[in-house]
Parts: sequence; structure tokens; C-alpha cells
Amino acid sequence: KAGVTQTPRYLIKTRGQQVTLSCSPISGHRSVSWYQQTPGQGLQFLFEYFSETQRNKGNFPGRFSGRQFSNSRSEMNVSTLELGDSALYLCASRGTRGGYTFGSGTRLTVV
Amino acid sequence: KNEVEQSPQNLTAQEGEFITINCSYSVGISALHWLQQHPGGGIVSLFMLSSGKKKHGRLIATINIQEKHSSLHITASHPRDSAVYICAVNRPGEEKLTFGTGTRLTIIP
Repeated sequence: KAGVTQTPRYLIKTRGQQVTLSCSPISGHRSVSWYQQTPGQGLQFLFEYFSETQRNKGNFPGRFSGRQFSNSRSEMNVSTLELGDSALYLCASRGTRGGYTFGSGTRLTVV
Repeated sequence: KNEVEQSPQNLTAQEGEFITINCSYSVGISALHWLQQHPGGGIVSLFMLSSGKKKHGRLIATINIQEKHSSLHITASHPRDSAVYICAVNRPGEEKLTFGTGTRLTIIP
């Protein structure tokens, strides 16, 4: 059974650019959530999607957005990148049994 | 004050020792999760608890709902157990996880 796949694994962007990250959940999992991990703030919740609907959103500015497609794959977008957006971005899918399966993450560096 | 607190922040032990990591939370929860993160970033879910105790191999997780406290135990620790262990909770009706700051465990051969 394939795990959660995140692409790309590494990304370097310049301030002011925008970036799109992708997450493919485990087959059959309809819930996908996104998290940001930084050394200073630790792990923080970004948003969660279920059946193409955003159910929860964390305390992040509007530059952070996401969506989920009918096949449950999800993307998150960050516009007008700032240096502070440099982080490991993790997505997780959750099935009906309740446990989370995390992807390997996308490490974003903003220069 | 963080809603989820872990202790200790760092723990170094000799191979074979019994390890305990603690997690306290200040909010009502529907589930508590123990996660493991190795260098490089990948996170593995170890346990999901809503009551009682669970065991998987050398790992044991317990939760006391009344005291809002959970512990993760590792028996016969091994250097491959070296990782960051993170406690996280779901609040009732919410899918979002709220995380503790993690415990960095180092097992010395």
C-alpha cells in the first residue's frame, strides 16, 4: 500500500515568488491536513481538507491557501514568499480508523 | 502556556535503559497521538489513544483522561530509537492536530 507522497522534496525560491506543493494521500483516505515545521515555532497546523472542502484553517495569513481535488490529492500554495516561510511542510492523510500517515515533507528554502 | 506540554525536552540514556516521556495537555481531547520524527523530517505515527493503554513491540503508551496526562515508554532502548518524539492532540470535533514541542531522545550504545 503506497504511503503519502509529497512533491517536490526540496525547493528553493526567491522572496516574492509563489510556490505550490503537492500531496497525494493514501488511497481511500479523504482527509488531508497540512503542517508547517520550523525550528522556532515547531509544528503548526495550516489547514485540513475533506472531500474537497476546507474544514479547518490554522492561524496563517491569507498568502497560504490550499485545495483538494476529487481524487483527494491536495495542493497548498504560498504567494509572495517571505524569508520566514522557509520551513518543512508536511501533509498527512487520515482514514476512517483515525490514525495519521505523514508524507516525507517538502523542505522549502526562501532566499 | 502551550496547550500540550512535554517533558523532558532532551533525554540521553544508555542502550537498554527504560525510557519514559511525558505529555500533559490542558484542553479537552478526542484523541492523543504519539509521533516519532527521525532526522530528515519524516514523521511516523506510533499510537493513537483515547483511553487506557496500548503496546506495540517495545513501545507502550498510556493515557489518564482525568489527569490529562499521557506517557510513552520504551523498554530495552536501542540506538535506533534515537529520534524526536512528539505528542499531539485532537480536540473534540476538530481534525487539526495541536503539537507538543517534542522530546529529543538519544540512546548511546
